[in-house]
Amino acid sequence: EAQVTQNPRYLITVTGKKLTVTCSQNMNHEYMSWYRQDPGLGLRQIYYSMNVEVTDKGDVPEGYKVSRKEKRNFPLILESPSPNQTSLYFCASSGVGTGHYGYTFGSGTRLTVV
Amino acid sequence: KQEVTQIPAALSVPEGENLVLNCSFTDSAIYNLQWFRQDPGKGLTSLLLIQSSQREQTSGRLNASLDKSSGRSTLYIAASQPGDSATYLCAVFFGNEKLTFGTGTRLTIIP
Repeated sequence: EAQVTQNPRYLITVTGKKLTVTCSQNMNHEYMSWYRQDPGLGLRQIYYSMNVEVTDKGDVPEGYKVSRKEKRNFPLILESPSPNQTSLYFCASSGVGTGHYGYTFGSGTRLTVV
Repeated sequence: KQEVTQIPAALSVPEGENLVLNCSFTDSAIYNLQWFRQDPGKGLTSLLLIQSSQREQTSGRLNASLDKSSGRSTLYIAASQPGDSATYLCAVFFGNEKLTFGTGTRLTIIP
Protein backbone atom coordinates (compact mmCIF):
# COMPACT_ATOMS: atom_id res chain seq x y z
CA GLU A 1 0.00 0.00 0.00
CA ALA A 2 1.30 3.42 -0.97
CA GLN A 3 1.72 5.44 2.17
CA VAL A 4 3.63 7.92 4.28
CA THR A 5 4.54 6.54 7.69
CA GLN A 6 5.31 8.72 10.68
CA ASN A 7 6.57 7.66 14.08
CA PRO A 8 5.76 8.06 16.83
CA ARG A 9 2.06 8.86 16.71
CA TYR A 10 2.12 10.45 20.15
CA LEU A 11 5.04 11.93 22.07
CA ILE A 12 5.30 13.78 25.36
CA THR A 13 8.69 15.23 26.17
CA VAL A 14 10.32 17.83 28.39
CA THR A 15 11.73 21.17 27.37
CA GLY A 16 15.23 20.90 25.94
CA LYS A 17 15.34 17.16 25.35
CA LYS A 18 16.28 16.48 21.75
CA LEU A 19 13.87 14.40 19.74
CA THR A 20 13.39 13.08 16.23
CA VAL A 21 10.15 12.34 14.43
CA THR A 22 10.66 9.91 11.58
CA CYS A 23 8.92 9.97 8.20
CA SER A 24 9.16 7.37 5.48
CA GLN A 25 7.39 7.00 2.12
CA ASN A 26 7.24 3.97 -0.17
CA MET A 27 6.17 5.73 -3.38
CA ASN A 28 9.62 6.77 -4.63
CA HIS A 29 8.57 10.41 -4.36
CA GLU A 30 11.18 13.10 -4.89
CA TYR A 31 9.43 15.75 -2.82
CA MET A 32 8.82 15.55 0.94
CA SER A 33 7.68 18.15 3.43
CA TRP A 34 6.78 18.75 7.07
CA TYR A 35 3.76 20.74 8.31
CA ARG A 36 2.48 21.64 11.71
CA GLN A 37 -1.19 22.16 12.50
CA ASP A 38 -2.36 24.50 15.25
CA PRO A 39 -5.89 25.59 16.19
CA GLY A 40 -6.83 28.80 14.44
CA LEU A 41 -3.64 28.81 12.36
CA GLY A 42 -4.26 25.85 10.11
CA LEU A 43 -1.41 23.91 8.51
CA ARG A 44 1.91 25.65 8.00
CA GLN A 45 4.95 24.32 6.23
CA ILE A 46 8.12 23.84 8.31
CA TYR A 47 10.67 22.45 5.83
CA TYR A 48 10.65 20.74 2.48
CA SER A 49 12.99 18.68 0.35
CA MET A 50 13.05 18.51 -3.43
CA ASN A 51 15.31 15.45 -3.49
CA VAL A 52 18.15 13.72 -1.67
CA GLU A 53 20.49 16.21 0.03
CA VAL A 54 18.27 19.14 -1.04
CA THR A 55 16.27 20.83 1.73
CA ASP A 56 14.83 24.30 2.23
CA LYS A 57 12.93 26.33 4.78
CA GLY A 58 9.19 26.68 4.75
CA ASP A 59 7.14 29.29 6.55
CA VAL A 60 7.94 28.33 10.16
CA PRO A 61 11.41 26.68 10.28
CA GLU A 62 12.68 28.15 13.56
CA GLY A 63 13.59 25.48 16.11
CA TYR A 64 13.56 22.62 13.62
CA LYS A 65 16.09 20.73 11.53
CA VAL A 66 15.67 18.17 8.77
CA SER A 67 17.86 15.88 6.73
CA ARG A 68 17.37 13.94 3.51
CA LYS A 69 20.08 11.33 3.20
CA GLU A 70 17.84 8.78 1.51
CA LYS A 71 14.98 9.33 -0.88
CA ARG A 72 12.42 7.53 1.27
CA ASN A 73 13.21 9.16 4.64
CA PHE A 74 12.82 12.72 5.87
CA PRO A 75 13.19 13.00 9.66
CA LEU A 76 12.23 16.10 11.62
CA ILE A 77 14.61 17.00 14.42
CA LEU A 78 13.90 19.25 17.38
CA GLU A 79 17.28 19.97 18.96
CA SER A 80 15.88 21.76 22.01
CA PRO A 81 12.08 21.51 22.10
CA SER A 82 10.05 24.26 23.72
CA PRO A 83 6.38 24.36 24.77
CA ASN A 84 5.46 26.48 21.73
CA GLN A 85 6.37 23.50 19.57
CA THR A 86 3.48 21.54 21.03
CA SER A 87 1.47 20.76 17.93
CA LEU A 88 0.20 18.15 15.49
CA TYR A 89 2.86 17.41 12.90
CA PHE A 90 2.35 15.97 9.43
CA CYS A 91 4.79 14.65 6.88
CA ALA A 92 3.81 14.71 3.21
CA SER A 93 5.25 13.54 -0.10
CA SER A 94 4.59 14.14 -3.77
CA GLY A 95 5.83 12.80 -7.07
CA VAL A 96 7.68 14.50 -9.89
CA GLY A 97 6.67 18.11 -10.38
CA THR A 98 6.18 18.79 -6.66
CA GLY A 99 2.47 18.85 -6.22
CA HIS A 100 1.45 18.23 -9.78
CA TYR A 101 0.36 14.76 -8.81
CA GLY A 102 -1.09 15.66 -5.44
CA TYR A 103 0.23 15.20 -1.94
CA THR A 104 0.02 12.16 0.32
CA PHE A 105 0.07 12.82 4.04
CA GLY A 106 1.08 10.70 6.99
CA SER A 107 -1.23 10.02 9.94
CA GLY A 108 0.34 12.70 12.08
CA THR A 109 2.44 12.96 15.25
CA ARG A 110 0.96 14.71 18.23
CA LEU A 111 3.79 16.29 20.19
CA THR A 112 3.45 17.76 23.66
CA VAL A 113 6.40 19.62 25.18
CA VAL A 114 6.12 20.29 28.92
CA LYS B 1 -0.35 37.25 -0.73
CA GLN B 2 -1.68 33.86 -1.76
CA GLU B 3 -4.47 32.83 0.57
CA VAL B 4 -7.16 30.17 0.73
CA THR B 5 -10.45 30.78 2.51
CA GLN B 6 -13.18 28.35 3.48
CA ILE B 7 -16.60 29.54 4.56
CA PRO B 8 -18.46 28.56 6.65
CA ALA B 9 -16.18 27.33 9.40
CA ALA B 10 -18.83 24.87 10.54
CA LEU B 11 -21.92 23.34 8.96
CA SER B 12 -24.61 20.97 10.25
CA VAL B 13 -27.06 19.24 7.94
CA PRO B 14 -29.57 16.38 8.33
CA GLU B 15 -28.62 12.98 7.01
CA GLY B 16 -29.54 12.37 3.39
CA GLU B 17 -29.24 15.96 2.22
CA ASN B 18 -26.95 17.10 -0.55
CA LEU B 19 -24.48 19.80 0.46
CA VAL B 20 -21.81 22.10 -0.93
CA LEU B 21 -18.58 23.21 0.73
CA ASN B 22 -16.86 26.32 -0.56
CA CYS B 23 -13.24 27.27 -1.09
CA SER B 24 -11.88 30.52 -2.50
CA PHE B 25 -8.31 31.50 -3.36
CA THR B 26 -6.69 34.82 -4.12
CA ASP B 27 -4.43 33.96 -7.06
CA SER B 28 -5.87 32.35 -10.19
CA ALA B 29 -2.45 31.08 -11.32
CA ILE B 30 -2.72 27.73 -9.61
CA TYR B 31 -1.27 24.36 -10.56
CA ASN B 32 -3.88 22.27 -8.79
CA LEU B 33 -6.31 22.15 -5.90
CA GLN B 34 -6.78 19.26 -3.51
CA TRP B 35 -9.62 18.49 -1.12
CA PHE B 36 -8.82 16.58 2.07
CA ARG B 37 -10.82 15.09 4.87
CA GLN B 38 -9.57 15.14 8.46
CA ASP B 39 -11.19 13.26 11.32
CA PRO B 40 -10.56 14.66 14.84
CA GLY B 41 -6.91 14.30 15.81
CA LYS B 42 -6.21 12.21 12.74
CA GLY B 43 -4.35 12.52 9.48
CA LEU B 44 -5.36 14.04 6.17
CA THR B 45 -7.07 11.82 3.65
CA SER B 46 -6.98 13.03 0.07
CA LEU B 47 -10.44 13.08 -1.48
CA LEU B 48 -10.01 14.72 -4.87
CA LEU B 49 -7.26 16.42 -6.85
CA ILE B 50 -8.17 18.87 -9.62
CA GLN B 51 -5.46 19.98 -12.03
CA SER B 52 -5.55 23.57 -13.28
CA SER B 53 -6.68 22.41 -16.73
CA GLN B 54 -9.68 20.54 -15.32
CA ARG B 55 -13.11 21.83 -14.37
CA GLU B 56 -14.22 19.02 -12.10
CA GLN B 57 -13.43 15.63 -10.59
CA THR B 58 -15.75 12.98 -9.24
CA SER B 59 -15.32 10.12 -6.81
CA GLY B 60 -18.39 8.25 -5.67
CA ARG B 61 -20.73 10.68 -3.91
CA LEU B 62 -18.18 13.49 -4.11
CA ASN B 63 -17.79 16.02 -6.88
CA ALA B 64 -15.30 18.87 -6.84
CA SER B 65 -15.37 21.77 -9.26
CA LEU B 66 -12.79 24.39 -10.09
CA ASP B 67 -13.29 27.87 -11.52
CA LYS B 68 -9.88 29.51 -11.73
CA SER B 69 -11.14 32.78 -13.17
CA SER B 70 -13.33 33.44 -10.16
CA GLY B 71 -10.89 31.85 -7.69
CA ARG B 72 -13.37 29.31 -6.42
CA SER B 73 -13.80 25.60 -5.85
CA THR B 74 -16.74 23.68 -4.46
CA LEU B 75 -17.00 20.19 -2.97
CA TYR B 76 -20.42 18.65 -3.49
CA ILE B 77 -21.42 15.74 -1.27
CA ALA B 78 -24.51 13.83 -2.35
CA ALA B 79 -26.84 11.96 -0.02
CA SER B 80 -24.86 12.80 3.11
CA GLN B 81 -24.27 10.15 5.78
CA PRO B 82 -23.20 10.39 9.44
CA GLY B 83 -19.85 8.93 8.41
CA ASP B 84 -19.22 12.05 6.34
CA SER B 85 -18.86 14.07 9.55
CA ALA B 86 -15.32 15.45 9.56
CA THR B 87 -13.36 18.59 8.80
CA TYR B 88 -12.87 19.23 5.10
CA LEU B 89 -9.77 21.10 4.02
CA CYS B 90 -9.11 22.79 0.72
CA ALA B 91 -5.46 23.14 -0.31
CA VAL B 92 -4.01 24.96 -3.31
CA PHE B 93 -0.66 24.37 -4.96
CA PHE B 94 0.46 27.73 -6.32
CA GLY B 95 3.78 26.33 -7.55
CA ASN B 96 5.81 27.65 -4.64
CA GLU B 97 6.87 24.26 -3.24
CA LYS B 98 4.09 24.00 -0.67
CA LEU B 99 0.37 23.56 -0.27
CA THR B 100 -1.55 26.57 1.00
CA PHE B 101 -4.43 25.39 3.17
CA GLY B 102 -7.72 26.90 4.12
CA THR B 103 -8.71 26.62 7.77
CA GLY B 104 -11.38 24.07 6.94
CA THR B 105 -15.10 23.50 7.28
CA ARG B 106 -16.21 21.28 10.16
CA LEU B 107 -19.13 19.24 8.85
CA THR B 108 -21.64 17.48 11.10
CA ILE B 109 -24.27 15.18 9.61
CA ILE B 110 -27.25 14.82 11.93
CA PRO B 111 -28.79 11.31 11.93
